[in-house]
Formats: sequence, structure tokens, C-alpha cells
Amino acid sequence: EAGVVQSPRYKIIEKKQPVAFWCNPISGHNTLYWYLQNLGQGPELLIRYENEEAVDDSQLPKDRFSAERLKGVDSTLKIQPAELGDSAVYLCASSLGQGGTGELFFGEGSRLTVL
Amino acid sequence: AQSVTQLGSHVSVSEGALVLLRCNYSSSVPPYLFWYVQYPNQGLQLLLKYTSAATLVKGINGFEAEFKKSETSFHLTKPSAHMSDAAEYFCAVTSSRRQLIFGTGTLLAVQP
Repeated sequence: EAGVVQSPRYKIIEKKQPVAFWCNPISGHNTLYWYLQNLGQGPELLIRYENEEAVDDSQLPKDRFSAERLKGVDSTLKIQPAELGDSAVYLCASSLGQGGTGELFFGEGSRLTVL
Repeated sequence: AQSVTQLGSHVSVSEGALVLLRCNYSSSVPPYLFWYVQYPNQGLQLLLKYTSAATLVKGINGFEAEFKKSETSFHLTKPSAHMSDAAEYFCAVTSSRRQLIFGTGTLLAVQP
């Protein structure tokens, strides 16, 4: 069974440019998460989807970040425009349930460097 | 609010020695607690979880953790370290909004 797939693995852009990350969750997982992981820190939730509905986006900086999960499967996270402080790893995860007691399955992450 | 604190950002042990990674939690409700492992350039993988059943939880790769309510702790242990255990380990607790709150991580180095 395929795991959570993310692309691109690495992205280098100049500040003020846009960037997008794509995530394909495990088949059948209805809950999808985007996490931000800064160097030396634990992951922090940006947004959580249950099917196609964003049920928790309170920590998503909506002035520059946006996300979508069309048809409740794949998801895209976009940053426009990117700032130097956005350099980090963006992790996607999925789970069968709502995540509170279940296991989250993580992708390998997309490492963003903003110059 | 729920939170976890991991004591020691870096831990170094010799191969074959005991591994002890510390995690203390804060929660106003009975917590669900987790340990995840992250190998270099990989995503996080669940090691084990506590969900109010047995207080001693066994996970993959010989790791286990004990939930101690009186000490608000959920420390991760392994009797004998392998070189392959070198990775970063994250403790996490479920918040009241059913999201995982991660600690800052402990980087485990295993010396030959």
C-alpha cells in the first residue's frame, strides 16, 4: 500500500514568489493535515480537513497561505507571496479517523528554502 | 490547554546502553499520548500510543513507554540501543480540539 505522497521534495524560490505543495493521502483516509516544521521544532498544525471540509484552519496565516482539498482526496497548499521566514518543511499527513486517538501517517515532507 | 515538554534536545548513548527519552505533559482532561520517530529526510512514524488502556505501552522496534499520571510523564525507553535507533523522537498529546500537539523533539545519537 502506498503511503502519503508529497511533491516536490525540495523547492528553492526567491522571496515574493509563489509556491505550491501537493499531497496525495493514503487511499480511504478521510482526514488530511498540513503541518509546518521549523528547524529544531516539532510539527505545528496549519490546517485539518475532514473529507473536503476544512474543519480547523485557525493556525493557517490566511493573508498568504491557502489550501484546498477538492473531491476530498488530494490537497494543495499554496503560499503567495513567500517570505524568508517561510523556509521550513511542510508535512502532509492523513488518518482514517479524526486523528484524536488514531494514528497519523506522514509523508516525507516538502522542504522550502526562500532566498 | 494541552502541551508536552521534552527534556533534553540531544541525547547520546552507546550502542547496547539503555535509552531514556523524557516527556512530561500538561492536560486538563485524560490525555492521549504518542511517541513518533523521524529518521533523516523522512516523515514521522508512530512508535507507540497511550489511549487510557494499559499504562505500560509497547511499541515498534523494542521501544516502550509508561504513563505515570502522578508524575504527568510519558517517558520512552529501550533496554539496548542499536545504531539504527539514531533519529529524532517527538512526544505528542491530543488537544481538546482533537489535534496533535508535538513537543520540540529529542535527537538521539548512538555511539559505536
